[in-house]
Amino acid sequence: NAGVTQTPKFRVLKTGQSMTLLCAQDMNHEYMYWYRQDPGMGLRLIHYSVGEGTTAKGEVPDGYNVSRLKKQNFLLGLESAAPSQTSVYFCASSILAGTYEQYFGPGTRLTVT
Amino acid sequence: DAKTTQPNSMESNEEEPVHLPCNHSTISGTDYIHWYRQLPSQGPEYVIHGLTSNVNNRMASLAIAEDRKSSTLILHRATLRDAAVYYCILRDVDNAGNMLTFGGGTRLMVKP
Repeated sequence: NAGVTQTPKFRVLKTGQSMTLLCAQDMNHEYMYWYRQDPGMGLRLIHYSVGEGTTAKGEVPDGYNVSRLKKQNFLLGLESAAPSQTSVYFCASSILAGTYEQYFGPGTRLTVT
Repeated sequence: DAKTTQPNSMESNEEEPVHLPCNHSTISGTDYIHWYRQLPSQGPEYVIHGLTSNVNNRMASLAIAEDRKSSTLILHRATLRDAAVYYCILRDVDNAGNMLTFGGGTRLMVKP
């Protein structure tokens, strides 16, 4: 039982390049989330999904797209990376809505030059 | 979600108890109080949550004021591994997306 895993762990992009971050969970959770964390700050929600085939916008969705084609995977895409997207990205999952705890992945550190 | 206020940082000595405060004066009746912590270079992890009564688990205790306008996370014996940023988060039971809204948290430093 690996929990929540994220690929890759580190990445450096040039401005304008695109990439996809992969999040996978093996806990059969319905809900999945993408957050970003800038230095010295708390996490901010980018997008989330309440089930396979669904996605919704969070607090800071601009410049990102997501897809949830399979229940266990949640992909975060950057179509044209900008230096403002330099951040640490965390994926999380939870079993259901309400007040269930979220389980977080180890993070992906992305630098856009 | 209602807002929480936490001190930016706190210090503790190893093996001593730590009381981390959180103010949430605008809490609603359906808000649960959650605590997460983030160890250095890791994702956040769940610590504990409660609604009205005090709660205990293997990691910590949560003491909730009678009027629910404040709460305290209690680590009974701090270890070096407890050095982390602790986030106090309010979550409405009707939060359809089960989302977390993180503030700045309290950075706990533990001295040997």
